[in-house]
Amino acid sequence: QQQVKQSPQSLIVQKGGIPIINCAYENTAFDYFPWYQQFPGKGPALLIAIRPDVSEKKEGRFTISFNKSAKQFSLHIMDSQPGDSATYFCAASVETSGSRLTFGEGTQLTVNP
Amino acid sequence: GAVVSQHPSWVICKSGTSVKIECRSLDFQATTMFWYRQFPKQSLMLMATSNEGSKATYEQGVEKDKFLINHASLTLSTLTVTSAHPEDSSFYICSARDPSNYGYTFGSGTRLTVV
Repeated sequence: QQQVKQSPQSLIVQKGGIPIINCAYENTAFDYFPWYQQFPGKGPALLIAIRPDVSEKKEGRFTISFNKSAKQFSLHIMDSQPGDSATYFCAASVETSGSRLTFGEGTQLTVNP
Repeated sequence: GAVVSQHPSWVICKSGTSVKIECRSLDFQATTMFWYRQFPKQSLMLMATSNEGSKATYEQGVEKDKFLINHASLTLSTLTVTSAHPEDSSFYICSARDPSNYGYTFGSGTRLTVV
């Protein structure tokens, strides 16, 4: 029940494309859903996060779509650039209880020039 | 924004020696810090949760005597890998939770190589 399933495992797009990464969860107590970007040899950096009271959130070229009834959320990267090539992790937690983050398996994104 | 500083960024040590990794929250007080281990092309694996002033809570399968965690202040947590062996070689990452905004901020990671 604590798992977060992430797909695809890897993704290759051309510059300007819109990669979409999907995550699904089971624990209905989760109320905080962040996405992290990680470059090789670095720690994860928060990209964008959403709470279940909204269905979509945009920050720059990054958009989270959230479907509470389906227990799914996804990350869309608009006008992708080669510099977006990285590993992306979705995560979930029960925010108010200070619980740990449960991470997805990660998606390795490659944006070709 | 919240900043978490982790040192060293990389370390090479001989088998049998101990290595200490520091994690500091620079602009907020972190009552809770987390330590992760990450293998190549894999997700982050939580090792333990440390709360300031109390004993760390270790995940199942993590040896508490090998991975000593100390969270003596609201801005500093340390992970000591004792009697390191080559199989302990990995990427270790800390995270701190900012109670003012519930955000989790990660350190830059430590690449440990045991030879």
